[in-house]
Amino acid sequence: DQQVKQNSPSLSVQEGRISILNCDYTNSMFDYFLWYKKYPAEGPTFLISISSIKDKNEDGRFTVFLNKSAKHLSLHIVPSQPGDSAVYFCAAVRTGANSKLTFGKGITLSVRP
Amino acid sequence: DTGVSQDPRHKITKRGQNVTFRCDPISEHNRLYWYRQTLGQGPEFLTYFQNEAQLEKSRLLSDRFSAERPKGSFSTLEIQRTEQGDSAMYLCASSLGEKLFFGSGTQLSVL
Repeated sequence: DQQVKQNSPSLSVQEGRISILNCDYTNSMFDYFLWYKKYPAEGPTFLISISSIKDKNEDGRFTVFLNKSAKHLSLHIVPSQPGDSAVYFCAAVRTGANSKLTFGKGITLSVRP
Repeated sequence: DTGVSQDPRHKITKRGQNVTFRCDPISEHNRLYWYRQTLGQGPEFLTYFQNEAQLEKSRLLSDRFSAERPKGSFSTLEIQRTEQGDSAMYLCASSLGEKLFFGSGTQLSVL
């Protein structure tokens, strides 16, 4: 049972354009969401997060949007840079429990120079 | 370097052998997690410690797997009688709250 879904396995964008990575979840108990970035042969690195009490969180080129009614979140990267090419994982957690993150399968982003 | 450290980075073993991985978390973090990742999948939760207490184990963690965190500091993950299906990247993470900090992982290959 995939509680966090990243249905698009890959995305290719031109340098300087916007990258939009989507994520859906099924468990309504999730109340905190995170995006991680992963390069090959390395562990995931935290990128940005959002609490369910917000609908937007911004950090530099990265913005995460949350639509609770649709159980959907998205990560926007603008402008995209070649160094952003990596696998991006969406993760969700129910706070106050053991903070066990549930991850999606990831999206491979390729930014073309 | 004050990040999460994992050792070894790579391990190649023959089927049936035992392997042990080590994780040194960020020193002030009381929570420690083990995850497993295979190609095309996201990290899958294996087990979780708060200080030295192992509070949750996934059903993915068969009887051949055991994890310890003596004294609430470093942790070890042992796999006995390895099988080819155990080949994966084993990730350790630590935290104080919801944001997990991951190590670089141990890539296990079982031949």
